Amino acid sequence: GAVVSQHPSRVICKSGTSVKIECRSLDFQATTMFWYRQFPKQSLMLMATSNEGSKATYEQGVEKDKFLINHASLTLSTLTVTSAHPEDSSFYICSAQEGEDGNQPQHFGDGTRLSIL
Amino acid sequence: GQNIDQPTEMTATEGAIVQINCTYQTSGFNGLFWYQQHAGEAPTFLSYNVLDGLEEKGRFSSFLSRSKGYSYLLLKELQMKDSASYLCAVRDSNYQLIWGAGTKLIIKP
Repeated sequence: GAVVSQHPSRVICKSGTSVKIECRSLDFQATTMFWYRQFPKQSLMLMATSNEGSKATYEQGVEKDKFLINHASLTLSTLTVTSAHPEDSSFYICSAQEGEDGNQPQHFGDGTRLSIL
Repeated sequence: GQNIDQPTEMTATEGAIVQINCTYQTSGFNGLFWYQQHAGEAPTFLSYNVLDGLEEKGRFSSFLSRSKGYSYLLLKELQMKDSASYLCAVRDSNYQLIWGAGTKLIIKP
């Protein structure tokens, strides 16, 4: 149980392109979903927390207009990297938490490796 | 500020036992998680501790002492596939997950 699907797994595109990443909880309802970015050999960096039906909460230093998050249902959240540039190249990972019980772990998608040329 | 400390890298031998320590200073405590992350992959959940003591799951065990702000992950009968980074994360009083930088574990034959 607790499977999170993230798509696409890899994107290579030109600078200026907007890229959309989907995160789905397949067998549970995710009240809260999280978006992380991870640079090589570094730890996870939380970008934003998204709750179904409300605006995402962004971490300090993360541009809201650059990284658009939509959490339209209890099983789907999307991250759109708008007008991507080479410095946006990174490993983006989503996670989903079942319910609001603090005992529940975050379950991660497989990540999206984004490369901007 | 909030802080999670764990060793950057550890090396162990196949078949042996290794203990990965994690100390934390956070605003409040609502549980501690251990995750495994293989290179180029997303983290996978290993264990959860919220009360003091040892939680055992097969070859992996996790220990927590809330008074000391300390946890460890114990891996027994090490296998080559256990080579990965191990991430310690603490949920604070706001239920935010604070992540450690991870411990890269290298297993040698």
